[in-house]
Amino acid sequence: GAVVSQHPSRVICKSGTSVKIECRSLDFQATTMFWYRQFPKQSLMLMATSNEGSKATYEQGVEKDKFLINHASLTLSTLTVTSAHPEDSSFYICSARDRLLGNTIYFGEGSWLTVV
Amino acid sequence: GENVEQHPSTLSVQEGDSAVIKCTYSDSASNYFPWYKQELGKRPQLIIDIRSNVGEKKDQRIAVTLNKTAKHFSLHITETQPEDSAVYFCAASFGGSQGNLIFGKGTKLSVKP
Repeated sequence: GAVVSQHPSRVICKSGTSVKIECRSLDFQATTMFWYRQFPKQSLMLMATSNEGSKATYEQGVEKDKFLINHASLTLSTLTVTSAHPEDSSFYICSARDRLLGNTIYFGEGSWLTVV
Repeated sequence: GENVEQHPSTLSVQEGDSAVIKCTYSDSASNYFPWYKQELGKRPQLIIDIRSNVGEKKDQRIAVTLNKTAKHFSLHITETQPEDSAVYFCAASFGGSQGNLIFGKGTKLSVKP
């Protein structure tokens, strides 16, 4: 199947700093990518939908100024957590839609963020 | 808003038995229903999906059924094995796009040898 790569897999940052997570579709073009957040033992919560070349659409309750999403190319979307706080610590995971394969969704490996 | 309910939250079966996980959805326009398996700390893996134009789909030991009238769909795993132990998530598309997915809360399946 199609491959979605996410980097970094684990990151620790200090409170108040920003951290960027990258999501790449390696062997297909992803006009749409999705960003999720998952707390331990909980489900995936959609944060935002990222469309190539346009602004992301954020879900209710997600601060767009805190979670900056950029989707500058057909194979790369980035999530930047700005002014991180300990409560932002979570598992962040992206997914991408492959239009050529019937809109099937593929997930990245996820990124564990710990804010200390 | 759109919602997906998933039951049970935990399921324990003996190796070789069958496991059934059920989901209901609220958006009558939903037309794509994937199931994912997630092991601890790893990405969800698509195991099977079904679209609204069919009622059942099978892939070896895994099958999914869809009842559009009742707005529910189910995952059936037969002849369970210890390596089937994981958290399973159902999802339903919303907003007219198959890419926009709402996930159920997950079912932790334990298969005892």
